[in-house]
Amino acid sequence: DVKVTQSSRYLVKRTGEKVFLECVQDMDHENMFWYRQDPGLGLRLIYFSYDVKMKEKGDIPEGYSVSREKKERFSLILESASTNQTSMYLCASVTRGNPVMMNTEAFFGQGTRLTVV
Amino acid sequence: AQKVTQAQTEISVVEKEDVTLDCVYETRDTTYYLFWYKQPPSGELVFLIRRNSFDEQNEISGRYSWNFQKSTSSFNFTITASQVVDSAVYFCALTHNTDKLIFGTGTRLQVFP
Repeated sequence: DVKVTQSSRYLVKRTGEKVFLECVQDMDHENMFWYRQDPGLGLRLIYFSYDVKMKEKGDIPEGYSVSREKKERFSLILESASTNQTSMYLCASVTRGNPVMMNTEAFFGQGTRLTVV
Repeated sequence: AQKVTQAQTEISVVEKEDVTLDCVYETRDTTYYLFWYKQPPSGELVFLIRRNSFDEQNEISGRYSWNFQKSTSSFNFTITASQVVDSAVYFCALTHNTDKLIFGTGTRLQVFP
């Protein structure tokens, strides 16, 4: 089974702290994503990565950065946490697949519920 | 621009009722893919189905069925004889060729015994 693991289920951090959310997948997937989920807004893409050391901004990258030093690990960084970053964060990975069926399903981690106080 | 609309914020039904979750999408691409995911209270999104834009056949999997209609840009999801374990948030999603999934806002389904 594909396994996407996020390092923490729940985190409480103080305003201004630097926060690291870690995500590891064990299926050698090329593509990894960070989403945040807020009530009434669905899942919004923060950043994604197609390969090691590659990253691209999603729809709401402000206040976030990412790191992909190894294929299996994709980290989301909140440089200076703010209360409006209180949210559920979901990591996903997907194999690039072949050109015809490249859009296979994404596999998600269990989510990290971050509270910034 | 790509967009997914799930107009139903929350639906409540009694066990054994049938329920349909609506999904309407917008895209300019001729090749695209539609998905449904289930998010139980545990939080992890579970893949349910993927449908390609060039395949309009409806699909049935046990109590689940999906109705894809390109003419109305809809990809609706029906649960027949709902059960309490079906209680979850359901997301419809869209992508074309970048593997970036564009999600709807989700529909919370509550099935009462």
